[in-house]
Amino acid sequence: GQQVMQIPQYQHVQEGEDFTTYCNSSTTLSNIQWYKQRPGGHPVFLIQLVKSGEVKKQKRLTFQFGEAKKNSSLHITATQTTDVGTYFCSHWGSQGNLIFGKGTKLSVKP
Amino acid sequence: DGGITQSPKYLFRKEGQNVTLSCEQNLNHDAMYWYRQDPGQGLRLIYYSQIVNDFQKGDIAEGYSVSREKKESFPLTVTSAQKNPTAFYLCAIRDRVAGYGYTFGSGTRLTVV
Repeated sequence: GQQVMQIPQYQHVQEGEDFTTYCNSSTTLSNIQWYKQRPGGHPVFLIQLVKSGEVKKQKRLTFQFGEAKKNSSLHITATQTTDVGTYFCSHWGSQGNLIFGKGTKLSVKP
Repeated sequence: DGGITQSPKYLFRKEGQNVTLSCEQNLNHDAMYWYRQDPGQGLRLIYYSQIVNDFQKGDIAEGYSVSREKKESFPLTVTSAQKNPTAFYLCAIRDRVAGYGYTFGSGTRLTVV
């Protein structure tokens, strides 16, 4: 399936700083999904983006899908310790299963 | 998570033994998936099933087997042929209510001793 690359692999921030993770593909994607996995937990679905240039917000989280539908970003404003975890992007492959990036692990120093 | 149950949460296995991980759902979803997670590797697809009595291999199916005899159950067997079975195993269903995302079970941590 079409792989997606996530950067950075790790990000350490001070509480209150902003955080952004990027998801990039070499081919056009039909959709992007984002998941959050808390330490020791399982991934939890956050959002799906489908339209070119789409922007969606969930409180302090802003999700974007690029105009060419080859990249996406997740931005967190004023991070809190509750934001700690690994954030994964994914997309639906041709077989009807999700293909995941390797994730960005966020740590927040209080 | 609500509606999908994985058991056990922790599992220890001796080398050379087969072990079966349970995944049960009560949400009447057709599609079920098994992923393996290793540190720094993201989630990799082992097997998936779109309908009862049918399943397909994912990217890393070698050393694993599954069955789908009932809609609500999709057990995964880790066989002795799996060379590096220690990992976190996640079962998921495709949740049309949640915007077509996956709902994951809480996972099983398998350790080979």
